[in-house]
Amino acid sequence: NAGVTQTPKFRVLKTGQSMTLLCAQDMNHEYMYWYRQDPGMGLRLIHYSVGEGTTAKGEVPDGYNVSRLKKQNFLLGLESAAPSQTSVYFCASSRITTGELFFGEGSRLTVL
Amino acid sequence: AQSVTQPDIHITVSEGASLELRCNYSYGATPYLFWYVQSPGQGLQLLLKYFSGDTLVQGIKGFEAEFKRSQSSFNLRKPSVHWSDAAEYFCAVGAVGNTGKLIFGQGTTLQVKP
Repeated sequence: NAGVTQTPKFRVLKTGQSMTLLCAQDMNHEYMYWYRQDPGMGLRLIHYSVGEGTTAKGEVPDGYNVSRLKKQNFLLGLESAAPSQTSVYFCASSRITTGELFFGEGSRLTVL
Repeated sequence: AQSVTQPDIHITVSEGASLELRCNYSYGATPYLFWYVQSPGQGLQLLLKYFSGDTLVQGIKGFEAEFKRSQSSFNLRKPSVHWSDAAEYFCAVGAVGNTGKLIFGQGTTLQVKP
């Protein structure tokens, strides 16, 4: 009964380093999303995917890249981390027809 | 512009008291509306959703919300708050056929006094 799983849950980076966050869902959902959560700003959409092999930009895509090579996985990459990318990142997935997002537990990233 | 506003950043209520969390939205299309709850260190869990039909919707944990199109509001209510309801609450809006993307409000933190 895993649902949406994010790895890693915590990470500290130095400015300029790169990393990848992995999201895996076992619900056979078509849609997947990456959001970032910052105090007082709610959740903001970074990138999303409507199916395997397709991705699109959300509200705040700069500095991030994504890939969805398999339906169940959605990767978020930071090529050159900046302190402004310190945040909690949430992955979510949904079916086409329901509109309900299922969230992972979040990944807390600190960039020094 | 599409947006969701939760006017109250922080609310404190006594255990057993009633609760209303406000949500106003601006959205061009017919909206889907959601309330999510986030406990500390956790992901977001769906409380309830409105797609169409009866404008008063029931959710989990005794919560309900009322959609008022004329006021562009979707306020969340609970008749009697429990200490375990202390959490952050997010209102969100989306649209039919819009790839499932949701726009979230800033969140309201609920504190419950014993």
